[in-house]
Amino acid sequence: QVQLQESGPGLEKPSETLSLTCTVSNGSISNHYWSWIRQPPGKGLEWIGYIYYSGTTNYNPSLMRRVTISVDASKNQFSLKLNSVTAADSAMYYCVRLGYRSGQYSFDYWGQGALVTVSS
Amino acid sequence: DIQMTHSPSSLSASVGDRVTITCRASQSISNYLNWYQQKPGKAPKLLIYAASTLQSDVPSRFSGSGSGTDFTLTVNTLQPEDFATYYCQQSYSAPYTFGQGTKVEIK
Repeated sequence: QVQLQESGPGLEKPSETLSLTCTVSNGSISNHYWSWIRQPPGKGLEWIGYIYYSGTTNYNPSLMRRVTISVDASKNQFSLKLNSVTAADSAMYYCVRLGYRSGQYSFDYWGQGALVTVSS
Repeated sequence: DIQMTHSPSSLSASVGDRVTITCRASQSISNYLNWYQQKPGKAPKLLIYAASTLQSDVPSRFSGSGSGTDFTLTVNTLQPEDFATYYCQQSYSAPYTFGQGTKVEIK
């Protein structure tokens, strides 16, 4: 079945740019939407945005000014950049596939998560 | 944004109990509602999509219902592995939003 794996630094300094990459294996990145979701320690889930394999994006308005999601279909990867980070951006970051079933989308495959801490 | 609200935020139950969790949307979302289970230190897992359709490999003791603004997740005959936090999520419109979660603990 499809597997996702996040990679990237686990520590960022305030005002820097958080960068994570998700590698998709056992499946193609083509013809699917791919998302980033984050979860601060002990808190709930926040959708960051999605990208279609062709490059179309949709971002959460709460983060839109600071976030960029990109895709490299040749490498079966998609990436997240979040700039001007603060301690409030410290969280577990998950890369997730948006699966299409019964005419609807749901987050059906998840990476194990990458913990990012923002601290000087 | 569509707000999703769980009730209760937490509950205590025993193995073998029947548990019902409620999720309410701030506006009608038809049946664009998904349920996830998250265990400590793990990524969430999709349980139910389109309000009532069980994801493959999810035990039949889980069921979902509802439409419009009110939805329920029911776990019949609670098993030890079911103690976890459950989240609802609407896929009706972006930004996709989750409820704050319901933590099911052992009594």
